This record gives sequence, structure tokens and C-alpha cells, in this order.
Amino acid sequence: GESVGLHLPTLSVQEGDNSIINCAYSNSASDYFIWYKQESGKGPQFIIDIRSNMDKRQGQRVTVLLNKTVKHLSLQIAATQPGDSAVYFCAENTGNQFYFGTGTSLTVIP
Amino acid sequence: DAMVIQNPRYQVTQFGKPVTLSCSQTLNHNVMYWYQQKSSQAPKLLFHYYDKDFNNEADTPDNFQSRRPNTSFCFLDIRSPGLGDAAMYLCATSRVAGGGDEQFFGPGTRLTVL
Repeated sequence: GESVGLHLPTLSVQEGDNSIINCAYSNSASDYFIWYKQESGKGPQFIIDIRSNMDKRQGQRVTVLLNKTVKHLSLQIAATQPGDSAVYFCAENTGNQFYFGTGTSLTVIP
Repeated sequence: DAMVIQNPRYQVTQFGKPVTLSCSQTLNHNVMYWYQQKSSQAPKLLFHYYDKDFNNEADTPDNFQSRRPNTSFCFLDIRSPGLGDAAMYLCATSRVAGGGDEQFFGPGTRLTVL
């Protein structure tokens, strides 16, 4: 499989602060990327995606940045809330296959 | 609501006793996936179907098989479960071939092997 890795396995932030979660991917042919949120005992939940012809995409309180030069992806969460506490995965897509990164566990401190 | 359904949510089996996990979807998506997720790890792709075309990942053990009798259903068969096969098994779907389209995940089946 592909190698998609995250730089930090755990992240703790104060409620209201911004969070940044990073991801490195290895396949330069990957053309689509997704960030997922996974809460304990549940399946991954789609947060935001970005195609390789873009370098930034914004959603509600979330922004994904893509740097194809260094094969790096980041997820920014604005005004982090306790409900954002979860494990976050990036996934890269090549053809029909999706490969997941290691995951970052985000803890929001009230 | 359209969704990806997995049954059962929790499955207990004995070492070496075959087990089948089920997934169904009401999204009418072409592609269905099976992932294995162990504790504190990322989901690992086992195989996927594009319609009836089966695609096995190179490192998926032969102990794992899959069937897709129709668009809506996909099954994961574990022929002789070992203790190392205890994990969460996730089913997912996506609409199109060629990627570039969101995956929708089911809630998972947690398999325990005694």
C-alpha cells in the first residue's frame, strides 16, 4: 500500500484555539485527498476533501491546505470545540484505492 | 436515509471458526471497500469491488475473502480467524471509479476472536 503518515500522533489544544493537523503522503500520483474524523467506536466521518489541482479549500471552521511540492497536507480547525475531540486521519486516493495515514488524536481542553 | 449498514455491530467467534461479516448500502454506489482497523491504528484497505470486479490488496492474507452478489451487498469471509484478526472491520462505498469521490463509511463490526 501507499505510505501516508502524520507528523504528530497526539495534539492537545485549549477550547477556542485553532488546531493544525499535518500529514505527509508519498504517492505523487495521488489526485484526491480527504480528511476524516473518527470518534471512538464509530466509522470515519468525512470532514473535507481537496483535489490535486487546488492548494486550499475551506469549509465550515475547517481549511485544508495541499502542498504538492513537498507532498504535505494539513487540516486547520478554527475555534476548536470539545466536540472536535477525536482521531483525525488523512487519506490519499489513487484510482479506486484510498490509503489512510496513521492518525492524530486531538484532545480539546475545556 | 441512504446509508452504509454493517451487521452485526459486534461479532464474537472462536479461533479457527469461519465468520462472515455483512455490509449493505442504499446509496447505489459502484465501489465497495473493506478495511481492517486495529486499535489505535489507521484503517487498512483489504480489498475493493468496482461493480463485480474484485481487487485484492497485495498484502491481504488469503484467509480473507469477499463476495459481492449484487450492488447493494458485500460480505467479508474470514476462513480461519486467528487472534491477530481481532479488529474493527469497516465497510465503505464510493460512487465512481477512478477515485476523486468521497467514501461513505459504515459504523463497523468489531470482531473478537476467543
